[in-house]
Amino acid sequence: EIVMTQSPATLSVSPGERATLSCRASQSVSSNLAWYQQKPGQAPRLLIYGASTRATGIPARFSGSGSGTEFTLTISSLQSEDFAVYYCQQYNNWPSHTFGQGTKLEIK
Amino acid sequence: QVQLQQSGPGLVKPSQTLSLTCAISGDSVSSNSAAWNWIRQSPSRGLEWLGRTYYRSKWYNDFAVSVKSRITISPDTSKSQFSLQLNSVTPEDTAVYFCAGADSESLLRYWGQGTLVTVSS
Repeated sequence: EIVMTQSPATLSVSPGERATLSCRASQSVSSNLAWYQQKPGQAPRLLIYGASTRATGIPARFSGSGSGTEFTLTISSLQSEDFAVYYCQQYNNWPSHTFGQGTKLEIK
Repeated sequence: QVQLQQSGPGLVKPSQTLSLTCAISGDSVSSNSAAWNWIRQSPSRGLEWLGRTYYRSKWYNDFAVSVKSRITISPDTSKSQFSLQLNSVTPEDTAVYFCAGADSESLLRYWGQGTLVTVSS
C-alpha cells in the first residue's frame, strides 16, 4: 500500500500570507494526486487534482505542484475561510484511494 | 449537480452489523462512468477508503484489504442508491462514515454529509 505523509501536521499562518503544505508518497504516484479541504463538521471538498489542476469553483489562490513522490499545495494569500484541514490523496494505485494524515492550517 | 444523502443508525452494538444507505440525485448508481464509494474517518485511522461499487456493463466491487472479509456494498437500481454493510463491528469501527461519488477520472468529487456511527453496547 502506498503511504502518504503530510507535513507539517499543523501550520500557523497569518491572514494575507502564503501557506505551503507538503505531501510525500512512499512510491511514485505520477501526477495522480489530489488535495482536499475539510472544515469542521463537513465532508472533504476536492480542491486540486492531477497534482496541479484546480477543481471547478476553486479560487486561483490555490495552486498545486509536483509529481512522482513530492507534492506541494500553496495558498498564495490566506483568507479567513481557508483555515481548515488539508489532505492529500493518491489515486494512482487502484482501487485504493490513500489519504495523508492531514495538515491543520490555523490562524497565527 | 450530483448530491448524496446518507441515512442510517448512529449507534451499533458490538458484533452486530453496521448498515448505511446513500441516495444519489443528479446521477445514477448505474452510471457507466461513475463509481460509488464508502470512506470513513476516525482520529486513529484518519480518512480510510473502504470500498466501491460500479457498473461497466456488469456490476463490480472493490474493497480495502482491512475490511474485505466483513464488508458488502450493494447497489439498488430501483432507488438509485447504494448501501454499506459492515459485519462483526467492534469499537474500532467507530467513525464518521461518508459515501462519495467518483467520476471517470477516479476523483472523489461528490460526498455525502457524513454519519457518525458509534459502536457501543
